Parts: sequence; structure tokens; C-alpha cells
Amino acid sequence: SQQGEEDPQALSIQEGENATMNCSYKTSINNLQWYRQNSGRGLVHLILIRSNEREKHSGRLRVTLDTSKKSSSLLITASRAADTASYFCATDAWAAGNKLTFGGGTRVLVKP
Amino acid sequence: DVKVTQSSRYLVKRTGEKVFLECVQDMDHENMFWYRQDPGLGLRLIYFSYDVKMKEKGDIPEGYSVSREKKERFSLILESASTNQTSMYLCASSPLVGGETQYFGPGTRLLVL
Repeated sequence: SQQGEEDPQALSIQEGENATMNCSYKTSINNLQWYRQNSGRGLVHLILIRSNEREKHSGRLRVTLDTSKKSSSLLITASRAADTASYFCATDAWAAGNKLTFGGGTRVLVKP
Repeated sequence: DVKVTQSSRYLVKRTGEKVFLECVQDMDHENMFWYRQDPGLGLRLIYFSYDVKMKEKGDIPEGYSVSREKKERFSLILESASTNQTSMYLCASSPLVGGETQYFGPGTRLLVL
């Protein structure tokens, strides 16, 4: 079963706009990560946020974590055509034996 | 850079065939994972391994087996391929169990006819 559920399932924006996607999960977690997958390729790690952190930045990426709501958001600022990809959140938790559990992903299309 | 390679990008097999998917990582990682990815279902863990000759079932191990004879290599075996095993298969490795980044291979798209 999926621990993380991404919302929206798909997102279409113009280049230069910001893209925001959300991830909700069901049980307490140790860490939450975001990965990107370009079409037909493997996943690439973007950012990890620990359960005791509330916000983290990496370049144009901003991740927030609200453990009380069991949710996280990924913001991509000033999007580029190259940001077109699927984005997945992944959680690890003691209850799951510390394996990563992935959500269904958000497909992002950035139009030039 | 960590590199995870998978033996094939695309594979076409017939129902009932035995299928081997190979994964090799070059970073001396202890942990290796096999996932399948299907539209709308995200990634689901098939098997994982914390060490040589060690394996653990993931969420959907039925119809699959694995082999880890060397630290760098983790093989996924479909004993008798079926059409419902048509999927994208992704291998990953990581230096620690959970909480750490997993490094993914490019994936193998398997079609079972």
C-alpha cells in the first residue's frame, strides 16, 4: 500500500511560474524525500527532510514538512522546461521497517 | 558519482519464460532494492538485500526471486513470466537502511507477451 499520496496527479504551468505539489502520508515517519523521474528513466534524489525539520531549501526547490498534518509540499520556483518530469515523495518509518514507501507521483509539464 | 546500471533498457519475453534482470552498482553499497513501477501505483518494492547472500521480501514478492552473490550485483528473476509482470523495473542501491538516499538505475521496461 502507498504511504504517500501526491496531489495533484498532474500539473501544467508556463515556464517561469512556480510549481507546487503536495504529499500526504498515513503513519509517523523518520524522513521524507522527494525524487524526480524524467520520462522513461530512473529516479533522481532531490531533497531529504527529517521529521524534526520544518523547511529545507536546495537551489530552486523548497520543501516543507508538517508532521501534525502528515503532509509535505515541494515548491519549484521559476520553473524551466527541463523541470518537466514526474515527482515522487518517499517516506521511511519505523513501522515499515525503514524501507522507502513511494507515492503515486505528480506529473509536471512546464510549457516554454 | 554513484552509478547503478541495469542490463537491459527494454526486454520482450514470452509467457512462461524465465527472465533475469541484472543490476550492478559501483559504490560498494550494502543495500540494494528491486521495484516495479506501474501507472497510478507508484513504485512498489519487490525484494531488497542488506548484504551478500541476504534477501528480504518486499511488498509484492510473489512470482519473483532474487540473487545476490556479490556485493555489487543484485539480480531479479521471474521464474515463469506472466503478462501481469509487464512493467517498468527499477533497481536502486543505498549505503544505509532507510532514511538515506537511494540511487536508481535507468530502469528496464519489460513486456511479456
